[in-house]
Amino acid sequence: AQTVTQSQPEMSVQEAETVTLSCTYDTSESNYYLFWYKQPPSRQMILVIRQEAYKQQNATENRFSVNFQKAAKSFSLKISDSQLGDTAMYFCAFMKHELGVYSGGGADGLTFGKGTHLIIQP
Amino acid sequence: DTGVSQDPRHKITKRGQNVTFRCDPISEHNRLYWYRQTLGQGPEFLTYFQNEAQLEKSRLLSDRFSAERPKGSFSTLEIQRTEQGDSAMYLCASTLAGGTQYFGPGTRLTVL
Repeated sequence: AQTVTQSQPEMSVQEAETVTLSCTYDTSESNYYLFWYKQPPSRQMILVIRQEAYKQQNATENRFSVNFQKAAKSFSLKISDSQLGDTAMYFCAFMKHELGVYSGGGADGLTFGKGTHLIIQP
Repeated sequence: DTGVSQDPRHKITKRGQNVTFRCDPISEHNRLYWYRQTLGQGPEFLTYFQNEAQLEKSRLLSDRFSAERPKGSFSTLEIQRTEQGDSAMYLCASTLAGGTQYFGPGTRLTVL
């Protein structure tokens, strides 16, 4: 079984600052996906960024980037030039990559961490 | 809006009653997942469908829970004889092969 640990229950930064959210995971799998999801207050969960474990290059999406350290099983999220709209719960998630009917992954779904509540102060 | 919808958004029920939730995935997505999220926690996997076949169920899914996905389109999650411990947000997600899951807004269940 996989576990995902987010050690920062809450973080608060000023608008325009850069913030890094931490995530570590434990797995015996060699092929998997990692995700950061954002859940704004009373709104649905949306994907921020994803990383395939076989890719060495860190994923980036505009102001969002990850630092993926496979050997250390670490997957942190960096948000640059933070904005008020970035205020949300951020969840790190893991999913195995599987073959056959589960091709593409996800037989037992995503394994989430407990989340980090990020507050962007004006 | 991710394109995944859930109904109802909120449900208040008394202990012992049965409830049913519905999820409408993105139309071309053949895979559908149900998760449960309690306060202060990340979502936990409940069950997975590929088309109409229910392929995986978590140990969290007790005998009082049942899920269906007739014709591989929408899905329903039923909880029989609800208990106060069932109070949670129930999330649905859909995907094609490739891993990224798109989540609905959830159904918040309160059992009194």
